[in-house]
Amino acid sequence: SAVISQKPSRDICQRGTSLTIQCQVDSQVTMMFWYRQQPGQSLTLIATANQGSEATYESGFVIDKFPISRPNLTFSTLTVSNMSPEDSSIYLCSARWAARDNEQFFGPGTRLTVL
Amino acid sequence: GNSVTQMEGPVTLSEEAFLTINCTYTATGYPSLFWYVQYPGEGLQLLLKATKADDKGSNKGFEATYRKETTSFHLEKGSVQVSDSAVYFCALGDSSYKLIFGSGTRLLVRP
Repeated sequence: SAVISQKPSRDICQRGTSLTIQCQVDSQVTMMFWYRQQPGQSLTLIATANQGSEATYESGFVIDKFPISRPNLTFSTLTVSNMSPEDSSIYLCSARWAARDNEQFFGPGTRLTVL
Repeated sequence: GNSVTQMEGPVTLSEEAFLTINCTYTATGYPSLFWYVQYPGEGLQLLLKATKADDKGSNKGFEATYRKETTSFHLEKGSVQVSDSAVYFCALGDSSYKLIFGSGTRLLVRP
């Protein structure tokens, strides 16, 4: 199965600071995505990370708050900017390989707590 | 727009009981349908999938059939085990491969 790693696995941050989450996959992928899972809730798509260009954001998410980079086909970062307690969530990256029947696999997630 | 509706949890069953978790969807076009599972303290794992009407996805004793006429993708297992205790998410994949998740259903299996 696919290997997707995320760093850090968890963090506790102060209000007003920013955190960058890294996502690394073990082989070149077609697409990468970032999701948010708020406490006790389901997953919501934040954006599609596009290789070499600006990410495509879903309604309710903006680049200034969640800047995303994807410099190559196996790596992406999500930054949570100017954090508030409402940003406390699990952030997950996912990847899709066309060669693997378009299945989408998820990383282990980054558990963020904002004080 | 596209959406997924799952039955509310938690669902509590005794070991070896029959499991059904209902999932219905609203979508334009012909989406793919998925069940993901999140075990306690672990990440999200793909459990099974179906990509077109009447397809049956199966894995680890779980099954779900893509029913276009009822827009449903109910998850079933004939005999649950304590190790099946987890949160189960139904999801829809649209033409741009984005996933839309249901609210999740927590399953608790008692010995």
